[in-house]
Amino acid sequence: EAQVTQNPRYLITVTGKKLTVTCSQNMNHEYMSWYRQDPGLGLRQIYYSMNVEVTDKGDVPEGYKVSRKEKRNFPLILESPSPNQTSLYFCASSLGIAGSTDTQYFGPGTRLTVL
Amino acid sequence: SQQGEEDPQALSIQEGENATMNCSYKTSINNLQWYRQNSGRGLVHLILIRSNEREKHSGRLRVTLDTSKKSSSLLITASRAADTASYFCVYQGAQKLVFGQGTRLTINP
Repeated sequence: EAQVTQNPRYLITVTGKKLTVTCSQNMNHEYMSWYRQDPGLGLRQIYYSMNVEVTDKGDVPEGYKVSRKEKRNFPLILESPSPNQTSLYFCASSLGIAGSTDTQYFGPGTRLTVL
Repeated sequence: SQQGEEDPQALSIQEGENATMNCSYKTSINNLQWYRQNSGRGLVHLILIRSNEREKHSGRLRVTLDTSKKSSSLLITASRAADTASYFCVYQGAQKLVFGQGTRLTINP
């Protein structure tokens, strides 16, 4: 089954404790991205990657890191989480950013709480 | 900000009625997409309309696009309780996708 998986789905942590949220897709997609969703602010892009070893900042990259060492995985790293990073996070992938076949496939979401 | 704008922000209708949501955007686009999000879950793709198309249908969904006004609308006909969700328009900005704020649709039985 074609899908994007994220882990963990729920996480409660404390300020400053490094964490990683994994994202994996099995569709051989080139483009992957991370979003956070907050009430009243909609979805905002954190980072995106157009291919292996190619990553770029989105609208709200501060406090986050990503890596794209292999095509299928795109982990989101919070080196020193803070309470303002409490949010619902989504990973997404698509065949490519350009062209007509760029339907985004979203993961199920990771609800993160930083105390 | 490139963020798209949708209106209304919230819409509540009776089951069986039609629901219309609008989206305005700020840049030239190759295509525009609509997604649905059930509470707390990932977004699910509904329909894509290309910049050279004016109208597209998929089941009970009808999407229009007016590139001269930089706007799109999503019409859901004969609404059902299962249509209760948030709906987002999404378009390509410069090398990245831009999301509208979303319309929260509630279908009352």
